[in-house]
Amino acid sequence: GAGVSQSPSNKVTEKGKDVELRCDPISGHTALYWYRQSLGQGLEFLIYFQGNSAPDKSGLPSDRFSAERTGGSVSTLTIQRTQQEDSAVYLCASSFYDEQFFGPGTRLTVL
Amino acid sequence: TQLLEQSPQFLSIQEGENLTVYCNSSSVFSSLQWYRQEPGEGPVLLVTVVTGGEVKKLKRLTFQFGDARKDSSLHITAAQPGDTGLYLCAGGGYGNKLVFGAGTILRVKS
Repeated sequence: GAGVSQSPSNKVTEKGKDVELRCDPISGHTALYWYRQSLGQGLEFLIYFQGNSAPDKSGLPSDRFSAERTGGSVSTLTIQRTQQEDSAVYLCASSFYDEQFFGPGTRLTVL
Repeated sequence: TQLLEQSPQFLSIQEGENLTVYCNSSSVFSSLQWYRQEPGEGPVLLVTVVTGGEVKKLKRLTFQFGDARKDSSLHITAAQPGDTGLYLCAGGGYGNKLVFGAGTILRVKS
């Protein structure tokens, strides 16, 4: 499909384990964003990649969170030593101009 | 820190009724976007407003951006069950980074 894809769609993990969430943006989109959404809430900005520029990491809640974007395309969000408060839906979006196109998200549950 | 307050948080109405959702801030935004999100999916952009006082219509939906670009409203006329979902406003700022409101859950009963 031509949209943003994310994997896995659901992830259940135990407290203290590391997890990796993947985002495949729309081909040709130069900007990529990660957001976190708690149940029934708005989106919380995490990190923003634009082309080859240094990413804007200002929204990452702690140093347990990191993200990379390889070859200007696929991105991976890594959460180390997961905590129960990390449970949320993690959404990825990509854009070329102003409109951001969102993926379906990864629902992370930390037991 | 830029914040957007949305109201109401939850709205349950009968089919055919009208409704308005509000999005307010003390900060000025370069643009204001409205999204609709259904369960298990990502938000989908409905409209972007960029000029103070701008009004945009999308079928039964009317969007307005305040003159000072600090607030916005979404009005739905003759709501239908298909309008059910989470409505999010988002303010645009530096680097296309969006600041989202907490959302309004709309339920339209037939």
